[in-house]
Amino acid sequence: DVKVTQSSRYLVKRTGEKVFLECVQDMDHENMFWYRQDPGLGLRLIYFSYDVKMKEKGDIPEGYSVSREKKERFSLILESASTNQTSMYLCASSLRINTEAFFGQGTRLTVV
Amino acid sequence: GENVEQHPSTLSVQEGDSAVIKCTYSDSASNYFPWYKQELGKRPQLIIDIRSNVGEKKDQRIAVTLNKTAKHFSLHITETQPEDSAVYFCAASKAVMLTFGGGTRLMVKP
Repeated sequence: DVKVTQSSRYLVKRTGEKVFLECVQDMDHENMFWYRQDPGLGLRLIYFSYDVKMKEKGDIPEGYSVSREKKERFSLILESASTNQTSMYLCASSLRINTEAFFGQGTRLTVV
Repeated sequence: GENVEQHPSTLSVQEGDSAVIKCTYSDSASNYFPWYKQELGKRPQLIIDIRSNVGEKKDQRIAVTLNKTAKHFSLHITETQPEDSAVYFCAASKAVMLTFGGGTRLMVKP
């Protein structure tokens, strides 16, 4: 069974804080993704990575950065958290192009 | 980038009826179209997918059709059951990038 694990289920951070969301997958998948999920807006792609140290912007990268130093780990960084970044964040991974994406359990981030 | 639109946003059906969810995409280079189901409080999970060289695919009560010319694809669920109640997401993929639609909340009334 593929496991995609996000480091926290719930997080509460203050405006202006630097926030790290961590995601680890255990199946040697090439591709990893970060999405945010908001009611009525579906899953919006923030960043994705197709290899170690490689990253590409998704549809809503503003205010976020990512890091992939090891194949199994993909981190999402909020450089200076703002209240409009309060959301559910979902990490996913896939073995290769056009294959099933497996999701983590999600991190509900609240910025106050 | 790719833009995926999904309709309807909510769908209520009687148990045993069929449900149809439709999606359109903008980028003709997209070539992989998965559908995910997300139950309340759980992570999205793949239920069926279709590639651009196939027009239709079936798996028991669910089927997906793809019209490349019109750039739309649809999910069909027959003989709906209460456990089909969930949010369904369509997606389109070009290379690695996987773009989702806005989701459809399906409610199956017993």
